[in-house]
Amino acid sequence: DAGVIQSPRHEVTEMGQEVTLRCKPISGHNSLFWYRQTMMRGLELLIYFNNNVPIDDSGMPEDRFSAKMPNASFSTLKIQPSEPRDSAVYFCASSLSSGSDTQYFGPGTRLTVL
Amino acid sequence: AQTVTQSQPEMSVQEAETVTLSCTYDTSENNYYLFWYKQPPSRQMILVIRQEAYKQQNATENRFSVNFQKAAKSFSLKISDSQLGDTAMYFCAFMKKSNTGKLIFGQGTTLQVKP
Repeated sequence: DAGVIQSPRHEVTEMGQEVTLRCKPISGHNSLFWYRQTMMRGLELLIYFNNNVPIDDSGMPEDRFSAKMPNASFSTLKIQPSEPRDSAVYFCASSLSSGSDTQYFGPGTRLTVL
Repeated sequence: AQTVTQSQPEMSVQEAETVTLSCTYDTSENNYYLFWYKQPPSRQMILVIRQEAYKQQNATENRFSVNFQKAAKSFSLKISDSQLGDTAMYFCAFMKKSNTGKLIFGQGTTLQVKP
C-alpha cells in the first residue's frame, strides 16, 4: 500500500493568500484526521472525518480554516486568508475506523506564510 | 481532560546500548490506548508500538518494548541495541477508547544515537 499521501510537501505563500493542502488516505480506511505541528503547541488535532463526515472540528483554530472530504479517497484543508502564524507542518492521518484503530500518518506539508 | 507528559526533552545513547524514554499521562478513563510514534528528520510520523490498557502484558516490537504501569499511569519505551537510524524525536500519545479517535500527544523527546 502507498500509505497516506499528502501534497504539496512544501508550500511557501504570502500572507493573505489562499492555501489548499491535500490528502489521500490509505485505501479502505474510514477515518481521516488533520493535525498541525508547531514548536509552541506541539501536535494538535484540527479536525477528523468518519465515513467522509466531519465529526469533530473543535480543534480548527478559526473560521479561516476549513476542511472537506468529498469522497473516501480525498480530503482538503484550506486556509483563507493565510497568516504568518499559520506556518507549521500539517499532517494527515487515516485509520480503519475511529476510536480504537491505529492512525497512520502522511509525510506532512510544511507551510510557510511570509 | 487527558494530558501526556514527556519529561525528557533530549536524550542521547551510544550505539548498541539501551535507552529508556519516559512518558506519564493523566486520565480518569479505564479503557484507552497508548502509542509511541517516531519522527525522524524526514518528518514522517512512524508508529513504533501500541499498547491497549486492558492488556497487562507489555507490548514488544523487535528492539522496542514498553513498560506499562497502569496504576502509576506510566508508559516508558525501551530501545535495545540502539542503532543510528533510531535517531529521531519520539512522541508518546494517548487515545481514549471511544468513537472519536483523538490522539493526545506529549511534547516529544529528541533521541540522539551516537556512533
